[in-house]
Amino acid sequence: AQSVTQLGSHVSVSEGALVLLRCNYSSSVPPYLFWYVQYPNQGLQLLLKYTSAATLVKGINGFEAEFKKSETSFHLTKPSAHMSDAAEYFCALSLGYSSASKIIFGSGTRLSIRP
Amino acid sequence: GAVVSQHPSRVICKSGTSVKIECRSLDFQATTMFWYRQFPKQSLMLMATSNEGSKATYEQGVEKDKFLINHASLTLSTLTVTSAHPEDSSFYICSATRDREEKAFFGQGTRLTVV
Repeated sequence: AQSVTQLGSHVSVSEGALVLLRCNYSSSVPPYLFWYVQYPNQGLQLLLKYTSAATLVKGINGFEAEFKKSETSFHLTKPSAHMSDAAEYFCALSLGYSSASKIIFGSGTRLSIRP
Repeated sequence: GAVVSQHPSRVICKSGTSVKIECRSLDFQATTMFWYRQFPKQSLMLMATSNEGSKATYEQGVEKDKFLINHASLTLSTLTVTSAHPEDSSFYICSATRDREEKAFFGQGTRLTVV
């Protein structure tokens, strides 16, 4: 069975500090992996995606993630946190390349930024 | 870019009544749409897969008679919460993916409160 595990339901960092949000996955076939961000009472916005091309993926707002097959990980990082980064972040996995492919979400990590 | 629009963004209804939520793909045809439910401070849980022109596929534990899904056109899927109860209060989000793309587009979500 496929699954996504996000370590840490809440992460707090100081403004300007490194952001690291952890995600591990389990899949019997090569997955597509995503990071989404959700602001309060809003839908989800795609930050970045891994689709078996480059293992280091750059996304919007300065975020990037590295796919490590040996560690089954897809951690999200940002060198310098900004106050506007405070939100809920979801790691997600998809097995397909079609419009009918389900997406499985991790439990989410709430990122707080300290002034 | 592709946009998925969800309506209404907020709805309050009385216990026992039914509520319809619409999900539209604005600039592409979506043969498949997905409906998710999100409880406070929790992840998105897939409820069902909405298939244009055929019956929806429900995830285990989701009552199909309670959560009616209709996907009558390639740009519109509706979720009707029938005989709503306070425990149905939640954030409902739809998503759609264009064919040959692995990225899902999410609606803005609907905050349902049953009183």
